Amino acid sequence: EAGVAQSPRYKIIEKRQSVAFWCNPISGHATLYWYQQILGQGPKLLIQFQNNGVVDDSQLPKDRFSAERLKGVDSTLKIQPAKLEDSAVYLCASTPAGTSGTLGTQYFGPGTRLTVL
Amino acid sequence: AQSVSQHNHHVILSEAASLELGCNYSYGGTVNLFWYVQYPGQHLQLLLKYFSGDPLVKGIKGFEAEFIKSKFSFNLRKPSVQWSDTAEYFCAVTSGTYKYIFGTGTRLKVLA
Repeated sequence: EAGVAQSPRYKIIEKRQSVAFWCNPISGHATLYWYQQILGQGPKLLIQFQNNGVVDDSQLPKDRFSAERLKGVDSTLKIQPAKLEDSAVYLCASTPAGTSGTLGTQYFGPGTRLTVL
Repeated sequence: AQSVSQHNHHVILSEAASLELGCNYSYGGTVNLFWYVQYPGQHLQLLLKYFSGDPLVKGIKGFEAEFIKSKFSFNLRKPSVQWSDTAEYFCAVTSGTYKYIFGTGTRLKVLA
C-alpha cells in the first residue's frame, strides 16, 4: 500500500513570497490533516478535512494560510505571504474511511521542510 | 483548552535499561490516547493507542502504556531498550472534537 505522499520535500523562500505544498493521502482515506511542526515542538493541527469539507480550521492563520481538498482526494496548503515564523515542517496525515476522527490511526507523510529567509 | 505535557525532553539510556516516558493531559471528558514514534529519517508512525477497556495497552516492539484516569496520565514503558529504539516519541490526545493534540515530544537516545 502506498503511503501518504507530499511534495516538495524541501522549500526555501524569502519572506513575503508565496509557497504551496501538496499532499496525496492513502487511497480511500476520507480524513486528511495538515500539521505545522516547528523545531522542538510537537505537530500542531492547522486544518482537518472530512472528504472535501472542513471539519476544523480553528488554528489555521487564515490571513495568510489557505487549504483546499478538491474532490475529496489530494490537498494543497498555501502560505501567502510567508513570514519568518512560518519556518517549520508541514506534515500531512490521513485516516481511513469508516473510522471517526477520534479513533482512526493517522498515517503521516514525510513532511515538507520550509525555510523562510 | 486541552493540552498534553511531556516532561522529559531528552532521555539518554544504555541498552537494556528500562524506559518510562511521561505523558499528562488536561481534559476532563472521554479521551483517546496515542503514542507516535519518529525514527531518524522516517515518518511519524503509531506505536500504540488506547480507546477503552484494559488500561494497559501493548504496542509494537515491546512497548506498552498505562492509562491512569485519576492521574490524567498515559506513560510509555519498555522493560529493556535497544539501540534501535533511538527516536523521538510523541504523546497525543483526542476527544469528541476530533482534534488531535500532540505533546512536545521526547528525544530518546540509546547508547550501545
